Amino acid sequence: QVQLVQSGAEVKKPGSSVKVSCKASGGSFDTFTISWVRQAPGQGLEWMGRIIPVFGTANYAQKFQGRVTMTADRSTTTAYMELSSLRSDDTAIYYCARMIDQWNRFDPWGQGTLVTVSS
Amino acid sequence: DIQMTQSPSSLSASVGDRVTITCRASQSIDNHLNWFQQTPGKAPKLLIFAESVLQSGVPSRFRGSASGTDFSLTISSLQPEDFATYFCQQSFITPYTFGQGTKLEI
Repeated sequence: QVQLVQSGAEVKKPGSSVKVSCKASGGSFDTFTISWVRQAPGQGLEWMGRIIPVFGTANYAQKFQGRVTMTADRSTTTAYMELSSLRSDDTAIYYCARMIDQWNRFDPWGQGTLVTVSS
Repeated sequence: DIQMTQSPSSLSASVGDRVTITCRASQSIDNHLNWFQQTPGKAPKLLIFAESVLQSGVPSRFRGSASGTDFSLTISSLQPEDFATYFCQQSFITPYTFGQGTKLEI
């Protein structure tokens, strides 16, 4: 059974960067695609991008182009999402999720990482 | 980007009721429609994928259906654990977009 465990909550200053990790267990990491989704407080879900670890290739939503970098370390089966030039409206819970099969199912999800941007 | 318009934004119901949530895509998404359930403080949980296929372990009282670019999630007999927020999502074309969510309240 695949499980995704994310790193802990972060508090960051405006203009800084944050790097969130997502460690996968119980499955073949090389068959995964990992998506990152965020949810601002009391708001809906927003897809940020995805990475295919076996190729190291990533695609980003236009909104985050130039500010987000998604990487993966196959040796530790861990995916990372780094967001730079943080603003207060980047305050959100950041989730990773595995994507599978031709339907691009998002399952399972990590538990989420709260990133708070505050001066 | 494909817009997913979900309604209603909130819904009050009672245990045992049948409820339906709808989602409209702004263009064809070739059945790549997913439904998620989210309870407070938890990550979303996949309920239905490919517009009508139940994810393993999801009770059969949940049903997904479609007509063109209109999609529906129906819960046939609400149980106490079903009171949550539901989201639709298209996974056909990036960026994979979500509906605004429906909060189902007692």
